[in-house]
Amino acid sequence: QKEVEQDPGPLSVPEGAIVSLNCTYSNSAFQYFMWYRQYSRKGPELLMYTYSSGNKEDGRFTAQVDKSSKYISLFIRDSQPSDSATYLCAMSAATLGGGGSNYKLTFGKGTLLTVNP
Amino acid sequence: DAMVIQNPRYQVTQFGKPVTLSCSQTLNHNVMYWYQQKSSQAPKLLFHYYDKDFNNEADTPDNFQSRRPNTSFCFLDIRSPGLGDAAMYLCATSRVDTASQHFGDGTRLSIL
Repeated sequence: QKEVEQDPGPLSVPEGAIVSLNCTYSNSAFQYFMWYRQYSRKGPELLMYTYSSGNKEDGRFTAQVDKSSKYISLFIRDSQPSDSATYLCAMSAATLGGGGSNYKLTFGKGTLLTVNP
Repeated sequence: DAMVIQNPRYQVTQFGKPVTLSCSQTLNHNVMYWYQQKSSQAPKLLFHYYDKDFNNEADTPDNFQSRRPNTSFCFLDIRSPGLGDAAMYLCATSRVDTASQHFGDGTRLSIL
């Protein structure tokens, strides 16, 4: 079993739809959960950052973390064509390393989203 | 704007010919990372620096080396590129006390 599982899609929705993206994970030590957006031929851009379980909202984006189920979600409301990108979930557990804590990220494979006008 | 800059954006090299990719940052972050990302795959961590301390991932091939001459710059050297090394190479930085990382736009490496 991979540490992080993410449905690669592709996912195609009409403009204005609510989009739900999900990841599951197996490592119960993960405490930090992120969603990155990656446009074609660009680097990943941090969208949402949450610590432990709970919800976080930022504009049209809502991130949810359920540590008991080892399941995280990203919801996009009123989706726009400009939201068309690959969405990567990433997570981390703090580990002690030389001089301080290390936070290596484990990524999902990404979900390719297309929002059609 | 503070950022992570990778050069070149596209690099073509010949099979077996050494190549160097560069990354610079204006964020003054202590930690710098190099990832390899192949099409439709998750970024794979190759190594990272905590200040000058180098940390290699166990499965990073010996063919891959890195240098960090100062806080701002980090280089990825591929000594003898093979066809399987064609990929996007991403540089990222982070502060010591946070899990989130800031990425550059990557260098897409092609091998002839």
